[in-house]
Amino acid sequence: AQSVTQLDSQVPVFEEAPVELRCNYSSSVSVYLFWYVQYPNQGLQLLLKYLSGSTLVKGINGFEAEFNKSQTSFHLRKPSVHISDTAEYFCAVSDVNFNKFYFGSGTKLNVKP
Amino acid sequence: DGGITQSPKYLFRKEGQNVTLSCEQNLNHDAMYWYRQDPGQGLRLIYYSQIVNDFQKGDIAEGYSVSREKKESFPLTVTSAQKNPTAFYLCATDGAMNQPQHFGDGTRLSIL
Repeated sequence: AQSVTQLDSQVPVFEEAPVELRCNYSSSVSVYLFWYVQYPNQGLQLLLKYLSGSTLVKGINGFEAEFNKSQTSFHLRKPSVHISDTAEYFCAVSDVNFNKFYFGSGTKLNVKP
Repeated sequence: DGGITQSPKYLFRKEGQNVTLSCEQNLNHDAMYWYRQDPGQGLRLIYYSQIVNDFQKGDIAEGYSVSREKKESFPLTVTSAQKNPTAFYLCATDGAMNQPQHFGDGTRLSIL
């Protein structure tokens, strides 16, 4: 079975500063990797996904993530955050053989002016 | 406009009452999922369905039931056996292997 760990439950950061949200996973098989964003009282929106190929993946709203197979990580980064990036972010993995998703516990990003 | 519609957005349950949450999709996706979200716990899978008239239990199915009579619809019933039903419920779909899941806007269930 797969599992996903998001080590930071909350990340405070000032506007225009860079940010990294950490995600580590464990799996005995190959996986696909995803980052989602959730605004209050809404569903999850896909930010980016890694299926294969280049390990650096670019997504919407200026976010990017890098897949590191040896460290089983898929950290999310943004070079300069905006107030509007304040939300909760979820990392997810799915087994390439069976489309069941496993979600991390989420990281709340709080961007301060 | 394609998407997933969950209704109602807010729902209140009395003790001993069953309530049903609606999830409708027009994405023509085969697979549909129900998740429960509690603060600090991420999303936990309740039930999922890969095709019409078939569904499987997820990690926390006790106290819940589902049906999949139509491709477009996957309603979730929270029964009186679910002793702690207060949570945010999310419905999701996906169209194929290696594709991301698409989510509705959720239903927040509370106890009166």
